[in-house]
Amino acid sequence: QKEVEQDPGPLSVPEGAIVSLNCTYSNSAFQYFMWYRQYSRKGPELLMYTYSSGNKEDGRFTAQVDKSSKYISLFIRDSQPSDSATYLCAMSPTSARQLTFGSGTQLTVLP
Amino acid sequence: SAVISQKPSRDICQRGTSLTIQCQVDSQVTMMFWYRQQPGQSLTLIATANQGSEATYESGFVIDKFPISRPNLTFSTLTVSNMSPEDSSIYLCSVGFSSQETQYFGPGTRLLVL
Repeated sequence: QKEVEQDPGPLSVPEGAIVSLNCTYSNSAFQYFMWYRQYSRKGPELLMYTYSSGNKEDGRFTAQVDKSSKYISLFIRDSQPSDSATYLCAMSPTSARQLTFGSGTQLTVLP
Repeated sequence: SAVISQKPSRDICQRGTSLTIQCQVDSQVTMMFWYRQQPGQSLTLIATANQGSEATYESGFVIDKFPISRPNLTFSTLTVSNMSPEDSSIYLCSVGFSSQETQYFGPGTRLLVL
């Protein structure tokens, strides 16, 4: 069993839809949770960063962490074609040295 | 955050040759890392580039195959030695700060080995 599980998709939604991306994990030591966005032929771009449980909102993006269920989510409201990318979750226990990545979910937002 | 550049952005190489990839950061960083991302897969950490000392390699990666240098706090190189088609991949450098628990990535180097 992988330490971090992420549905690879692909996920295709119409423009304006609400998108939900999820990861589950098995290591209860994880404290820091990140979402990266990776456009085709580009490096991963840090999108959201949260510590411990709770929600964090940034514009159209909301990250949720439920440590009791070992489950994290990224919600995208009013999705746009420019959101089409692969979304990677990542997490670490105590420092940036120890990031563990999910396999990524490929998202396409259709105009 | 930091602005990270990599050279070359892409290359096509012959089997048995070596390629050195450069990573330059616009500010001094505590940590630098090298990752491999094979087609359709997530990121696999190759090694941590340590300034002034030998790199720390992850399981399955060895110095003879992936020698790494880090002469200062803003620059590192990764060499892919004696390449085979299985080395075709995207190679990414990333950086971390001691005050943060995340990493920032460069644009990547796309390598194709024929």
